[in-house]
Amino acid sequence: AQTVTQSQPEMSVQEAETVTLSCTYDTSESDYYLFWYKQPPSRQMILVIRQEAYKQQNATENRFSVNFQKAAKSFSLKISDSQLGDAAMYFCAYSSSGSARQLTFGSGTQLTVLP
Amino acid sequence: EPEVTQTPSHQVTQMGQEVILRCVPISNHLYFYWYRQILGQKVEFLVSFYNNEISEKSEIFDDQFSVERPDGSNFTLKIRSTKLEDSAMYFCASSNSPSRLAHNEQFFGPGTRLTVL
Repeated sequence: AQTVTQSQPEMSVQEAETVTLSCTYDTSESDYYLFWYKQPPSRQMILVIRQEAYKQQNATENRFSVNFQKAAKSFSLKISDSQLGDAAMYFCAYSSSGSARQLTFGSGTQLTVLP
Repeated sequence: EPEVTQTPSHQVTQMGQEVILRCVPISNHLYFYWYRQILGQKVEFLVSFYNNEISEKSEIFDDQFSVERPDGSNFTLKIRSTKLEDSAMYFCASSNSPSRLAHNEQFFGPGTRLTVL
């Protein structure tokens, strides 16, 4: 079974600065998807960014980018120019590319943005 | 923009009672999911549903749980006899297609907070 580990329960960043959230995973599959979801206090789950394992290029979405290291099974999220609205719980998630499409989530990292 | 909706937003029930949580997935989506999140914990997969049947389920999804798509638009999660430990946020999600083009992106609803007393 796949597992996802987020070793940083809490992180803080100064507004306008850059922060990196860590995620590692364990799988025996070669093809899969990785995601970062954001959960603000409203508890809505919002997709931030996704990465296909077969793509070597790191995904980017505006201020959000990932560092995907397939051999190391590492998938970190970098938030540049942090904004107050980025404050939330961030979950890393894994999905198989096979028929079982459910997401396996990490335990989350609570990000605080300091003004 | 299409979105997944869930009702009610908050459900309070007595232990042993049956509850039905409702979800309306995005209309052209084919895959449906339920997840739960106990307060302060990670989001956990419960069940996936495709082509009018369960495709995968987790250990959490025991005989007390059932899912149904009764009318082609709603997707429901029923808990037959609620326990205190069922108190959690329940999220419905849907996705379009398993193809690479869809990236397996799951769109989440806002959640239903279930409180079992």
